[in-house]
Amino acid sequence: GQSLEQPSEVTAVEGAIVQINCTYQTSGFYGLSWYQQHDGGAPTFLSYNALDGLEETGRFSSFLSRSDSYGYLLLQELQMKDSASYFCAPAGAGAGSYQLTFGKGTKLSVIP
Amino acid sequence: GAGVSQSPRYKVTKRGQDVALRCDPISGHVSLYWYRQALGQGPEFLTYFNYEAQQDKSGLPNDRFSAERPEGSISTLTIQRTEQRDSAMYRCASSLDGGGSSNEQFFGPGTRLTVL
Repeated sequence: GQSLEQPSEVTAVEGAIVQINCTYQTSGFYGLSWYQQHDGGAPTFLSYNALDGLEETGRFSSFLSRSDSYGYLLLQELQMKDSASYFCAPAGAGAGSYQLTFGKGTKLSVIP
Repeated sequence: GAGVSQSPRYKVTKRGQDVALRCDPISGHVSLYWYRQALGQGPEFLTYFNYEAQQDKSGLPNDRFSAERPEGSISTLTIQRTEQRDSAMYRCASSLDGGGSSNEQFFGPGTRLTVL
């Protein structure tokens, strides 16, 4: 079967660091994507890890361990605008690497 | 425009009516996806096109749902004999190719469908 787990809500202080963990179980796996979605907006791509290790893009970093079926998104120097929902999305549950499986996401609230 | 566009942005219909939702992907994007997103949930995969070919329709809930992309660009998602449970945000996304090195999908603003 398929499963996807990430915390439902996280609250952090402006300027701090927060880590959002994701564990997954899918029938096929090509890599792990992360998307951000502000209330009322469309999901936007943050990162994709096809290989084990850490990928860094500015204030955001994403990590993948394929052997542990685990990944995380690290957000540094939090800003108020980072308040949003964050989705980890394993790729490959279907016939190809294109198919993303989204869970319920993690709602991040950044407070002053 | 540079992004994915969808129309209409809002659609209210009566139960039993057919609706057609349109998606205009980013120019040059080979792959097109349809998702459905309920409030408080992530997008749920419906179907995937590579150019004009519908490669995967495993996420379509039942045979009232269909999609086409006849010329490999604009796509239409059609829901026949709508039911109240079909009410949701329907999102389209496109990517340069299926999967690829970054697997980045660009999402449109969505069509909010309400079935009365």
